[in-house]
Amino acid sequence: NAGVTQTPKFQVLKTGQSMTLQCAQDMNHEYMSWYRQDPGMGLRLIHYSVGAGITDQGEVPNGYNVSRSTTEDFPLRLLSAAPSQTSVYFCASSPGTGYSNQPQHFGDGTRLSIL
Amino acid sequence: RKEVEQDPGPFNVPEGATVAFNCTYSNSASQSFFWYRQDCRKEPKLLMSVYSSGNEDGRFTAQLNRASQYISLLIRDSKLSDSATYLCVVLLFSGGYNKLIFGAGTRLAVHP
Repeated sequence: NAGVTQTPKFQVLKTGQSMTLQCAQDMNHEYMSWYRQDPGMGLRLIHYSVGAGITDQGEVPNGYNVSRSTTEDFPLRLLSAAPSQTSVYFCASSPGTGYSNQPQHFGDGTRLSIL
Repeated sequence: RKEVEQDPGPFNVPEGATVAFNCTYSNSASQSFFWYRQDCRKEPKLLMSVYSSGNEDGRFTAQLNRASQYISLLIRDSKLSDSATYLCVVLLFSGGYNKLIFGAGTRLAVHP
């Protein structure tokens, strides 16, 4: 039972490069989201999706794009990497379109460094 | 002011000790409350939800005081395996969507 799978686990980029962080879940969850976690700060929501074909911005969306062509996949794209985007990125999913008391299932995280 | 504030710690306690973590939140419209646990370099995992009446799960007790906008987590009989960072999380409907707001976490280190 894979749950939420993120790839890659580690990545080093140069400023200005682009890349895509992959996220896939096999639980048929409607709700998927991307967070970043920085030292001394809580997880911050970048983008989220309430179902295939529907995405919206979270708290810190600038510099990132997302798409949701299938229920399973929710990739995060960095268009032109900047050192400020050095962080740990977590993808999460949950059943339904509201959190209510439903736990977020997190992937293992992607540690991204921008030089 | 952060929307969810926690003492970052670390709390260094011996095995068997009782330890309490506090958390305050700024938005009185917050709807639901949770404690998540995050091990070093791992993903967060739900520890327990927090209800106004208080709730207990084994050695863990969570309390919510809506009037004071205050959440607590009590761990009794600490184990070495309890060493982790504990995240206070608040659910708020804001900007057209349900939004989970994470505190920065309180680090707990349990030693023999």
